Amino acid sequence: AQSVAQPEDQVNVAEGNPLTVKCTYSVSGNPYLFWYVQYPNRGLQFLLKYITGDNLVKGSYGFEAEFNKSQTSFHLKKPSALVSDSALYFCAVRDMYSGGGADGLTFGKGTHLIIQP
Amino acid sequence: NAGVTQTPKFQVLKTGQSMTLQCAQDMNHEYMSWYRQDPGMGLRLIHYSVGAGITDQGEVPNGYNVSRSTTEDFPLRLLSAAPSQTSVYFCASSRLTGGSYEQYFGPGTRLTVT
Repeated sequence: AQSVAQPEDQVNVAEGNPLTVKCTYSVSGNPYLFWYVQYPNRGLQFLLKYITGDNLVKGSYGFEAEFNKSQTSFHLKKPSALVSDSALYFCAVRDMYSGGGADGLTFGKGTHLIIQP
Repeated sequence: NAGVTQTPKFQVLKTGQSMTLQCAQDMNHEYMSWYRQDPGMGLRLIHYSVGAGITDQGEVPNGYNVSRSTTEDFPLRLLSAAPSQTSVYFCASSRLTGGSYEQYFGPGTRLTVT
Protein backbone atom coordinates (compact mmCIF):
# COMPACT_ATOMS: atom_id res chain seq x y z
CA ALA A 1 0.00 0.00 0.00
CA GLN A 2 1.19 3.51 -0.73
CA SER A 3 1.51 6.18 1.94
CA VAL A 4 2.61 9.76 2.48
CA ALA A 5 4.09 11.30 5.60
CA GLN A 6 4.26 14.99 6.38
CA PRO A 7 6.20 14.95 9.64
CA GLU A 8 5.49 18.56 10.66
CA ASP A 9 2.01 19.73 11.61
CA GLN A 10 3.19 23.34 11.43
CA VAL A 11 6.16 25.21 10.02
CA ASN A 12 6.94 28.78 11.05
CA VAL A 13 9.15 30.96 8.86
CA ALA A 14 9.98 34.66 8.91
CA GLU A 15 9.05 36.60 5.79
CA GLY A 16 11.95 36.75 3.34
CA ASN A 17 13.58 33.57 4.66
CA PRO A 18 13.69 30.32 2.69
CA LEU A 19 11.06 27.73 3.53
CA THR A 20 10.90 23.94 3.35
CA VAL A 21 7.84 21.74 3.88
CA LYS A 22 8.79 18.09 4.19
CA CYS A 23 7.18 15.06 2.56
CA THR A 24 8.24 11.43 2.40
CA TYR A 25 6.43 8.68 0.58
CA SER A 26 6.18 4.94 0.13
CA VAL A 27 5.03 3.20 -3.06
CA SER A 28 5.70 -0.18 -4.57
CA GLY A 29 6.67 1.17 -7.98
CA ASN A 30 7.73 4.51 -9.39
CA PRO A 31 5.90 7.47 -7.83
CA TYR A 32 3.89 10.31 -9.22
CA LEU A 33 4.16 13.10 -6.62
CA PHE A 34 2.06 16.22 -6.13
CA TRP A 35 1.83 19.28 -3.92
CA TYR A 36 -1.45 21.09 -3.29
CA VAL A 37 -2.16 24.26 -1.30
CA GLN A 38 -5.34 25.12 0.58
CA TYR A 39 -6.12 28.67 1.61
CA PRO A 40 -8.69 29.24 4.41
CA ASN A 41 -12.23 28.25 3.44
CA ARG A 42 -11.13 27.24 -0.06
CA GLY A 43 -10.62 24.00 -1.96
CA LEU A 44 -7.20 22.58 -2.75
CA GLN A 45 -5.19 24.12 -5.58
CA PHE A 46 -2.56 22.29 -7.59
CA LEU A 47 1.00 23.61 -7.10
CA LEU A 48 3.32 21.23 -8.88
CA LYS A 49 3.98 17.60 -9.74
CA TYR A 50 6.82 15.19 -10.42
CA ILE A 51 6.26 12.48 -13.01
CA THR A 52 9.68 11.81 -14.46
CA GLY A 53 12.79 13.66 -15.58
CA ASP A 54 14.51 16.50 -13.73
CA ASN A 55 14.47 15.97 -9.98
CA LEU A 56 13.84 19.68 -9.36
CA VAL A 57 10.31 20.64 -10.29
CA LYS A 58 9.12 24.22 -10.51
CA GLY A 59 5.52 25.17 -9.88
CA SER A 60 3.14 28.02 -9.18
CA TYR A 61 3.82 31.08 -6.98
CA GLY A 62 7.61 30.54 -7.00
CA PHE A 63 7.48 27.14 -5.29
CA GLU A 64 9.66 24.23 -6.26
CA ALA A 65 10.12 20.69 -5.03
CA GLU A 66 13.01 18.29 -5.13
CA PHE A 67 12.47 14.60 -5.78
CA ASN A 68 15.00 12.38 -3.99
CA LYS A 69 14.53 8.73 -4.85
CA SER A 70 17.10 7.37 -2.40
CA GLN A 71 15.49 9.22 0.51
CA THR A 72 11.94 8.75 -0.87
CA SER A 73 11.31 12.43 -0.30
CA PHE A 74 9.63 15.26 -2.17
CA HIS A 75 10.18 18.40 -0.09
CA LEU A 76 8.51 21.67 -1.07
CA LYS A 77 10.73 24.74 -1.09
CA LYS A 78 10.70 28.47 -1.78
CA PRO A 79 13.76 30.74 -1.65
CA SER A 80 12.00 33.72 -0.06
CA ALA A 81 8.74 33.34 1.87
CA LEU A 82 5.83 35.77 1.64
CA VAL A 83 3.12 36.34 4.24
CA SER A 84 0.62 35.38 1.54
CA ASP A 85 2.20 31.89 1.39
CA SER A 86 0.58 31.12 4.75
CA ALA A 87 -1.75 28.18 4.08
CA LEU A 88 -2.21 24.44 4.50
CA TYR A 89 -0.02 22.33 2.20
CA PHE A 90 -0.70 18.76 1.15
CA CYS A 91 1.65 16.27 -0.42
CA ALA A 92 0.12 13.42 -2.44
CA VAL A 93 1.46 10.31 -4.13
CA ARG A 94 0.34 7.77 -6.67
CA ASP A 95 2.08 4.66 -7.94
CA MET A 96 2.49 5.09 -11.69
CA TYR A 97 0.87 1.71 -12.17
CA SER A 98 -2.26 2.63 -10.18
CA GLY A 99 -5.52 3.35 -11.92
CA GLY A 100 -5.97 6.80 -13.30
CA GLY A 101 -7.92 9.61 -11.71
CA ALA A 102 -8.82 9.81 -8.04
CA ASP A 103 -8.72 6.17 -7.04
CA GLY A 104 -4.97 5.88 -6.78
CA LEU A 105 -4.06 9.16 -5.07
CA THR A 106 -3.06 9.19 -1.39
CA PHE A 107 -2.80 12.50 0.49
CA GLY A 108 -0.68 13.39 3.50
CA LYS A 109 -2.26 14.93 6.58
CA GLY A 110 -1.17 18.42 5.65
CA THR A 111 1.29 20.97 7.05
CA HIS A 112 0.28 24.43 8.21
CA LEU A 113 2.77 26.96 6.91
CA ILE A 114 2.83 30.22 8.84
CA ILE A 115 4.88 33.11 7.51
CA GLN A 116 5.54 35.78 10.12
CA PRO A 117 5.98 39.42 9.03
CA ASN B 1 -15.31 28.17 -17.08
CA ALA B 2 -16.80 27.94 -13.61
CA GLY B 3 -14.60 24.92 -12.86
CA VAL B 4 -15.90 22.68 -10.08
CA THR B 5 -18.90 24.03 -8.18
CA GLN B 6 -20.42 22.69 -4.98
CA THR B 7 -23.67 23.46 -3.20
CA PRO B 8 -24.50 24.18 -0.48
CA LYS B 9 -21.50 25.84 1.16
CA PHE B 10 -22.78 25.16 4.66
CA GLN B 11 -25.34 22.71 6.02
CA VAL B 12 -26.56 21.67 9.44
CA LEU B 13 -28.42 18.38 9.74
CA LYS B 14 -30.01 16.49 12.59
CA THR B 15 -29.03 12.88 13.16
CA GLY B 16 -31.02 10.62 10.87
CA GLN B 17 -31.80 13.23 8.23
CA SER B 18 -30.79 12.70 4.63
CA MET B 19 -29.48 15.15 2.10
CA THR B 20 -27.62 15.46 -1.18
CA LEU B 21 -24.44 17.43 -1.72
CA GLN B 22 -24.28 18.71 -5.26
CA CYS B 23 -21.16 18.82 -7.45
CA ALA B 24 -20.85 19.95 -11.05
CA GLN B 25 -17.95 20.59 -13.41
CA ASP B 26 -17.90 22.24 -16.82
CA MET B 27 -14.48 21.06 -17.97
CA ASN B 28 -15.68 17.79 -19.55
CA HIS B 29 -13.47 15.76 -17.20
CA GLU B 30 -14.06 12.04 -17.11
CA TYR B 31 -12.96 11.48 -13.54
CA MET B 32 -14.78 12.89 -10.53
CA SER B 33 -14.40 12.15 -6.85
CA TRP B 34 -15.59 13.02 -3.36
CA TYR B 35 -13.31 13.52 -0.37
CA ARG B 36 -13.87 14.38 3.24
CA GLN B 37 -11.40 16.48 5.17
CA ASP B 38 -11.07 16.09 8.92
CA PRO B 39 -8.53 17.85 11.17
CA GLY B 40 -5.22 16.00 11.30
CA MET B 41 -6.38 13.36 8.83
CA GLY B 42 -5.83 14.96 5.46
CA LEU B 43 -8.23 14.08 2.65
CA ARG B 44 -9.90 10.69 2.49
CA LEU B 45 -11.57 9.39 -0.63
CA ILE B 46 -15.26 8.51 -0.26
CA HIS B 47 -16.37 7.57 -3.80
CA TYR B 48 -15.15 8.21 -7.28
CA SER B 49 -16.30 7.89 -10.87
CA VAL B 50 -14.30 7.19 -14.01
CA GLY B 51 -17.12 8.25 -16.31
CA ALA B 52 -20.89 8.56 -16.66
CA GLY B 53 -22.60 5.45 -15.35
CA ILE B 54 -19.51 4.15 -13.53
CA THR B 55 -18.80 4.64 -9.83
CA ASP B 56 -16.68 2.90 -7.23
CA GLN B 57 -15.89 3.05 -3.54
CA GLY B 58 -12.94 4.82 -2.02
CA GLU B 59 -11.41 4.55 1.43
CA VAL B 60 -14.45 5.61 3.53
CA PRO B 61 -17.67 4.86 1.58
CA ASN B 62 -19.99 3.77 4.40
CA GLY B 63 -23.05 5.98 4.85
CA TYR B 64 -22.70 7.62 1.44
CA ASN B 65 -24.14 6.92 -2.01
CA VAL B 66 -23.23 8.37 -5.39
CA SER B 67 -24.44 8.20 -8.95
CA ARG B 68 -23.12 9.62 -12.22
CA SER B 69 -25.83 10.01 -14.82
CA THR B 70 -24.00 12.76 -16.74
CA THR B 71 -20.39 13.78 -17.26
CA GLU B 72 -21.02 17.09 -15.51
CA ASP B 73 -22.73 16.06 -12.28
CA PHE B 74 -21.65 13.86 -9.38
CA PRO B 75 -23.96 14.21 -6.35
CA LEU B 76 -23.15 12.69 -2.96
CA ARG B 77 -26.04 11.41 -0.87
CA LEU B 78 -26.04 10.99 2.88
CA LEU B 79 -28.67 8.38 3.62
CA SER B 80 -29.06 8.84 7.37
CA ALA B 81 -26.74 11.49 8.77
CA ALA B 82 -24.61 10.71 11.82
CA PRO B 83 -22.43 13.03 13.95
CA SER B 84 -19.37 11.15 12.62
CA GLN B 85 -20.16 12.62 9.21
CA THR B 86 -19.50 16.13 10.44
CA SER B 87 -16.73 17.21 8.10
CA VAL B 88 -15.77 19.36 5.14
CA TYR B 89 -16.57 17.68 1.84
CA PHE B 90 -14.68 18.36 -1.35
CA CYS B 91 -15.58 17.34 -4.86
CA ALA B 92 -12.84 17.11 -7.48
CA SER B 93 -12.55 16.40 -11.17
CA SER B 94 -9.47 15.16 -12.97
CA ARG B 95 -7.93 15.51 -16.37
CA LEU B 96 -4.97 13.78 -17.96
CA THR B 97 -2.16 16.24 -18.48
CA GLY B 98 1.56 15.74 -18.92
CA GLY B 99 1.26 11.98 -18.47
CA SER B 100 -0.66 12.13 -15.21
CA TYR B 101 -4.02 13.12 -13.81
CA GLU B 102 -4.30 16.58 -12.26
CA GLN B 103 -7.17 17.24 -9.89
CA TYR B 104 -9.34 20.37 -9.69
CA PHE B 105 -11.17 20.88 -6.42
CA GLY B 106 -14.43 22.61 -5.61
CA PRO B 107 -14.70 25.13 -2.75
CA GLY B 108 -16.13 22.58 -0.32
CA THR B 109 -19.27 22.00 1.74
CA ARG B 110 -19.02 22.33 5.51
CA LEU B 111 -21.47 19.86 7.07
CA THR B 112 -22.42 19.69 10.74
CA VAL B 113 -24.56 16.85 12.06
CA THR B 114 -26.08 17.40 15.50
